[in-house]
Amino acid sequence: TQLLEQSPQFLSIQEGENLTVYCNSSSVFSSLQWYRQEPGEGPVLLVTVVTGGEVKKLKRLTFQFGDARKDSSLHITAAQTGDTGLYLCAGGTDKLIFGTGTRLQVFP
Amino acid sequence: EAQVTQNPRYLITVTGKKLTVTCSQNMNHEYMSWYRQDPGLGLRQIYYSMNVEVTDKGDVPEGYKVSRKEKRNFPLILESPSPNQTSLYFCASSLGTATNEKLFFGSGTQLSVL
Repeated sequence: TQLLEQSPQFLSIQEGENLTVYCNSSSVFSSLQWYRQEPGEGPVLLVTVVTGGEVKKLKRLTFQFGDARKDSSLHITAAQTGDTGLYLCAGGTDKLIFGTGTRLQVFP
Repeated sequence: EAQVTQNPRYLITVTGKKLTVTCSQNMNHEYMSWYRQDPGLGLRQIYYSMNVEVTDKGDVPEGYKVSRKEKRNFPLILESPSPNQTSLYFCASSLGTATNEKLFFGSGTQLSVL
């Protein structure tokens, strides 16, 4: 059974701080996605990475896919209150598996 | 506006009373899926559909039914709800069936079974 573990589960920081969220598995994935879910809404796709070692940037967010395609990280620079939400990674091979999520709270 | 619409947003019911949660997408997507989200367990897939009249079980299908008679609609049916089906439910769709396709999610249905 493929599992995706995310860490930390919860993160509470001040505006302006940097943070990194991790997504790890013992399985190899052909692709990995990151979604953000805000309270009362469904998840929204942020990025898809498909190549081992790939790095993608979305404004202050930097996503990296591990060389072995078993893990990924999301780094946020100078967090803002608008970054608050639940961050979910999802790994795909023959099916899509979601991680358990990291709940981020950014305080002003 | 491209969207996935679920109804209702909130539903409180009693054990054994049949209910249907509707899901509709306006993007002509082939693939549709239902998930439940529970604290600490993430999103778990209930059922999915690759096309009209083609449905298949996900990871947690027990106690649920679905149908895909039209491309745009994918209702979730609980024939005899039980308290362990209390959860936040999401419908999602994507253009194709590959796992790297962008999934579009509805806003969710919070179900409480008493």
